[in-house]
Amino acid sequence: ETGVTQSPTHLIKTRGQQVTLRCSSQSGHNTVSWYQQALGQGPQFIFQYYREEENGRGNFPPRFSGLQFPNYSSELNVNALELDDSALYLCASSFSGLNTEAFFGQGTRLTVV
Amino acid sequence: GENVEQHPSTLSVQEGDSAVIKCTYSDSASNYFPWYKQELGKGPQLIIDIRSNVGEKKDQRIAVTLNKTAKHFSLHITETQPEDSAVYFCAARTGFQKLVFGTGTRLLVSP
Repeated sequence: ETGVTQSPTHLIKTRGQQVTLRCSSQSGHNTVSWYQQALGQGPQFIFQYYREEENGRGNFPPRFSGLQFPNYSSELNVNALELDDSALYLCASSFSGLNTEAFFGQGTRLTVV
Repeated sequence: GENVEQHPSTLSVQEGDSAVIKCTYSDSASNYFPWYKQELGKGPQLIIDIRSNVGEKKDQRIAVTLNKTAKHFSLHITETQPEDSAVYFCAARTGFQKLVFGTGTRLLVSP
């Protein structure tokens, strides 16, 4: 078991709505990354936060945004939800540094109807 | 950018057999290669990793090998057990950048 916790575990939203997902990083970790995992696929990198700033972004539109707080916890916000946004959203925490391990939470299963 | 290919997509073995999963990467600057195990309804669990200055690493029944020249790395599981059944993902990372994942291997270990 890792110390990374995500909430909620499941939620259902309607197309066009907005959603906020939350992540508490493992103790001592100051970097948080978010990934989207579609059914049957590997996780895809959305973005990474370090010292409350976004410092890397994958191929996702601006309606995917995030925050990191002084306690290193993080939020992922998705606006104008589309059906294709249905996926498992994973948060990974790590300590900043070269080639450090990343530990994942259990994920939030988002269903857009 | 980095691209990671993973094979096979499914692997069925008998309990006690060995299982091997192979991955190739495209970016020669990649220097960190973790392997994750994902069980149904759970997040990926880091099971072993290897850095580019090492050719092989072992942890009990699990080992990983890295061939930097050929740009491929492999996961070896010996004496498989039914609880090893899961989806396994390889990944590659360049420096501080994102993890790029393979497409996953569904391993089924039959008693």
